[in-house]
Amino acid sequence: GQNIDQPTEMTATEGAIVQINCTYQTSGFNGLFWYQQHAGEAPTFLSYNVLDGLEEKGRFSSFLSRSKGYSYLLLKELQMKDSASYLCAVKWQAGTALIFGKGTTLSVSS
Amino acid sequence: GAVVSQHPSRVICKSGTSVKIECRSLDFQATTMFWYRQFPKQSLMLMATSNEGSKATYEQGVEKDKFLINHASLTLSTLTVTSAHPEDSSFYICSAALPSSNQPQHFGDGTRLSIL
Repeated sequence: GQNIDQPTEMTATEGAIVQINCTYQTSGFNGLFWYQQHAGEAPTFLSYNVLDGLEEKGRFSSFLSRSKGYSYLLLKELQMKDSASYLCAVKWQAGTALIFGKGTTLSVSS
Repeated sequence: GAVVSQHPSRVICKSGTSVKIECRSLDFQATTMFWYRQFPKQSLMLMATSNEGSKATYEQGVEKDKFLINHASLTLSTLTVTSAHPEDSSFYICSAALPSSNQPQHFGDGTRLSIL
């Protein structure tokens, strides 16, 4: 919704690095979140970006360019358990709900 | 540990039944909670914003008389699916966040609703 775009599916192999891109409508932007969701479970929080630049958290990093309306989630040293859906979510005003993209299903193979 | 508790986790019931789902914030007071719905292989779609002490705000296309939301306290919001039909079968998830804009929304574990 609201022009949040991310690829539908991606595949990668164990140990590799994968980058999941997300673009969004910039007007009124107030923060971008990445969540991981395994099938049948609720989403779990991965990262938050509101300023330009890279946020690193262990094997996961997230980047934001506000002027370009662009973010990516970088997953390093992929493991089989990283197979999941990755959701890009944007907040357009403080205190309002997150609006989610359609999610990227990542399949990690051995 | 979980900061948002959602109950029940799974409901199977007959068509025409009304189903109530509870969402509780455990460690903080949530003046605002959010209700999402997720159909298979789709993303989370915002249904409504639940505001403590006032009426909920519904997204376009969501029937407020069908999906009743009550947020009577700072730690509890309920969603009642009235006269549920098979097309209402879905995964319903609530969330809440601390007021600061950089706090992530914490999600409940979700409720899998199956209407026969």
